[in-house]
Amino acid sequence: GAVVSQHPSWVICKSGTSVKIECRSLDFQATTMFWYRQFPKQSLMLMATSNEGSKATYEQGVEKDKFLINHASLTLSTLTVTSAHPEDSSFYICSAEDVDGAGKNIQYFGAGTRLSVL
Amino acid sequence: GQNIDQPTEMTATEGAIVQINCTYQTSGFNGLFWYQQHAGEAPTFLSYNVLDGLEEKGRFSSFLSRSKGYSYLLLKELQMKDSASYLCAVRDRTGGGNKLTFGTGTQLKVEL
Repeated sequence: GAVVSQHPSWVICKSGTSVKIECRSLDFQATTMFWYRQFPKQSLMLMATSNEGSKATYEQGVEKDKFLINHASLTLSTLTVTSAHPEDSSFYICSAEDVDGAGKNIQYFGAGTRLSVL
Repeated sequence: GQNIDQPTEMTATEGAIVQINCTYQTSGFNGLFWYQQHAGEAPTFLSYNVLDGLEEKGRFSSFLSRSKGYSYLLLKELQMKDSASYLCAVRDRTGGGNKLTFGTGTQLKVEL
């Protein structure tokens, strides 16, 4: 099946620094990747849709200058949390879209990145 | 936007069958997904329905009724490892995208 790798799995940083999270599709090419945020015991909230070779589409209320997304190749999208603050601490999860044997678009998820900002 | 509703918690016995319901309201329905998520891990894909009816995949089955805005996930022969959160997600074609909107998840606890 489709495999999505996300790195790092866990990061602690000081307030004011920037953190980059990578999302890779290992055995398929993904024109579209998605970035989600999840708070404890809550569901996934879509932050943005990452499109290869073009600008990301951000959901309402998500600051594009705060959460920089780059999708420079068909297998890699990156999310950079700039000038991180404690309120940015969360579980960030990426997904990549692949087409299964029946022609259906399925999102496969990375393992997630737990960000703690001190 | 979408409104997705599923129970918060359920408890079932090992070896039994459990049905997790999901109701939704959306303007541009383009498929319903079920994912399993263990604590601290990413969701794993279980099933996908776009047409009415039942999709069976081993111990897991998913049903969809588009006219009723209703789906359920059926888990048979429950095992302890099935204890997890089960997320119902709806895809909407509005705006030409393939965005998924997730429900809050149903936390299933399997007991001996």
